Amino acid sequence: EAGVTQFPSHSVIEKGQTVTLRCDPISGHDNLYWYRRVMGKEIKFLLHFVKESKQDESGMPNNRFLAERTGGTYSTLKVQPAELEDSGVYFCASSQGSRSSPLHFGNGTRLTVT
Amino acid sequence: SQQGEEDPQALSIQEGENATMNCSYKTSINNLQWYRQNSGRGLVHLILIRSNEREKHSGRLRVTLDTSKKSSSLLITASRAADTASYFCATDAVGGGATNKLIFGTGTLLAVQP
Repeated sequence: EAGVTQFPSHSVIEKGQTVTLRCDPISGHDNLYWYRRVMGKEIKFLLHFVKESKQDESGMPNNRFLAERTGGTYSTLKVQPAELEDSGVYFCASSQGSRSSPLHFGNGTRLTVT
Repeated sequence: SQQGEEDPQALSIQEGENATMNCSYKTSINNLQWYRQNSGRGLVHLILIRSNEREKHSGRLRVTLDTSKKSSSLLITASRAADTASYFCATDAVGGGATNKLIFGTGTLLAVQP
């Protein structure tokens, strides 16, 4: 089975610009998560979708971040306008079944805001 | 300190030796999971231990959990160069609702020298 795929793998943008990250979960996985790792710090939860609905978005840093999951399939995470502190690696993960089901992670998108 | 804090931050050993990594956390948990991340790749689930379990084995991996001390350890026996990676513990805290909102630490970077 194909794993979780994320696009792009790297993105370098200037402060104030907009960037959209995309995640394609494993087919059939209802749960989709976004996490972020800022340089040298822990990996932090951003939000959780169940199908197309946002189950928990308590980790979203501020209203410059907008996540969507069209039709319960792929998801996008838009940062607008980007700030320097948004730099980091953004991971997407998916899972199926119970909350103790392991998460399957993508390779991440490394975002650099200059 | 952060929830899911690993110790040591970095560990270098020779092939064939055992590697032990520790994790401390703060809140009550449903389960604790260990993930591995190879450089530039996504996290890969290794093993899950529930709060009512004390020890679990999977191949060369042995995980222990002490809920009274809020700590866990991951032991990799007979290490191989291919085990070189970052290792993260992640806790699923009680009260997280329906969301598998894992709380990660900063990880232990393991280097296995051939």
